[in-house]
Amino acid sequence: DQQVKQNSPSLSVQEGRISILNCDYTNSMFDYFLWYKKYPAEGPTFLISISSIKDKNEDGRFTVFLNKSAKHLSLHIVPSQPGDSAVYFCAASYNTGNQFYFGTGTSLTVIP
Amino acid sequence: DTGVSQNPRHKITKRGQNVTFRCDPISEHNRLYWYRQTLGQGPEFLTYFQNEAQLEKSRLLSDRFSAERPKGSFSTLEIQRTEQGDSAMYLCASSLGQGAAGSPLHFGNGTRLTVT
Repeated sequence: DQQVKQNSPSLSVQEGRISILNCDYTNSMFDYFLWYKKYPAEGPTFLISISSIKDKNEDGRFTVFLNKSAKHLSLHIVPSQPGDSAVYFCAASYNTGNQFYFGTGTSLTVIP
Repeated sequence: DTGVSQNPRHKITKRGQNVTFRCDPISEHNRLYWYRQTLGQGPEFLTYFQNEAQLEKSRLLSDRFSAERPKGSFSTLEIQRTEQGDSAMYLCASSLGQGAAGSPLHFGNGTRLTVT
């Protein structure tokens, strides 16, 4: 059973516009959420995270929003750049566990 | 380079052969993870070490798979009697031992295994 879901396999955005990537989860025990970016032939690279005690975390052009009641998180990239084109994975974990659970990824293409 | 290092980058083997992969984590990290990723899927948990102790192993992991982390430093993942279904990217990651919350995984570039 997939505890972390990314329902959009792909997304295309014009350069300079906002990219919004979405993620849903089912396990209410999750208390730590992360986004990773992956280029072909490379491992996932950590981007940004958020604890369940917050509803927003910003780092430069990247902002992650958490809606615990809806079990939903999103990653906003503003402004989008061609170098942001990659596959983005969301992930979640809980403090009493040792695993990180990943979604299936969303492929973002930023069009120059 | 202080990132997670994995060797080899690519491995092609014939069905039935044994293969071994190595992972060198970030030096100050005491947690080490192995994940597997297939096309169109996210990374899937295989096993996890805290220092030299293997604390968790996925129920999906058959007994053909074994992992070690002697002396709590590098780790090896061995697959015995490989099958075509083992073809995947094997990812190693490490993190600081501060509990799952607040300690992101840092991944290596993976070992791509192809079983013919």
